[in-house]
Amino acid sequence: QVQLVQSGAEVKKPGASVKVSCKASGYTFTGYYIHWVRQAPGQGLEWMGWINPNSGGTNYAQKFQGGVTMTRDTSISTAYMELSRLTSDDTAVYYCARDGHPGHGGYDYWGQGTLVTVSS
Amino acid sequence: EIVLTQSPGTLSLSPGERATLSCRASQSVSSTYLAWYQQKPGQTPRLLIYGASSRATGIPDRFSGSGSGADFTLTISRLEPEDFAVYYCQQFRSSPYTFGQGTKLQIK
Repeated sequence: QVQLVQSGAEVKKPGASVKVSCKASGYTFTGYYIHWVRQAPGQGLEWMGWINPNSGGTNYAQKFQGGVTMTRDTSISTAYMELSRLTSDDTAVYYCARDGHPGHGGYDYWGQGTLVTVSS
Repeated sequence: EIVLTQSPGTLSLSPGERATLSCRASQSVSSTYLAWYQQKPGQTPRLLIYGASSRATGIPDRFSGSGSGADFTLTISRLEPEDFAVYYCQQFRSSPYTFGQGTKLQIK
């Protein structure tokens, strides 16, 4: 069965960086884009960007340009999202999600979420 | 950036009633690129509808999506107790792939 398993919760100080992993299983990793979405406490969903696991190509929301880096390691079917220069506004649950409907869009599988807390 | 505005912000209904949720885009999205999700407290979002009207795998047929251009609707024909949650729309027409702010469907 398809699964996306993310790395565990992180606590970081302002100005630091965090790298979240998302390990895929149960399907061909290079066949579907992986997107990253975050959700601040009590708030809605915010799209951050995507990575094409096949080519490594990326597309980031302008808000995160210069601060986010999405990469992948196809040998272990894992995608990564690194966010730098953290502030308290980056405290959120970070999700990876598979776009299971190319040509339409729609995340059919989600990771369990990784809580990143930024606090001094 | 395409802004999605969902209405109402909160909808109070009883089980068995019909729910109609709206998602309006600041510019045309096309019916191809609109998705709906359900999120319950403490859970990850769940895909309900993609391509504005196609039900995702395993989604009951009481959920239906419609619309085109810039106006979209999610309808739940007869509410079950497990349907009370927050619902989000998302567009994939152009980057950034924005979400609406959500509609909270609560028990009346």
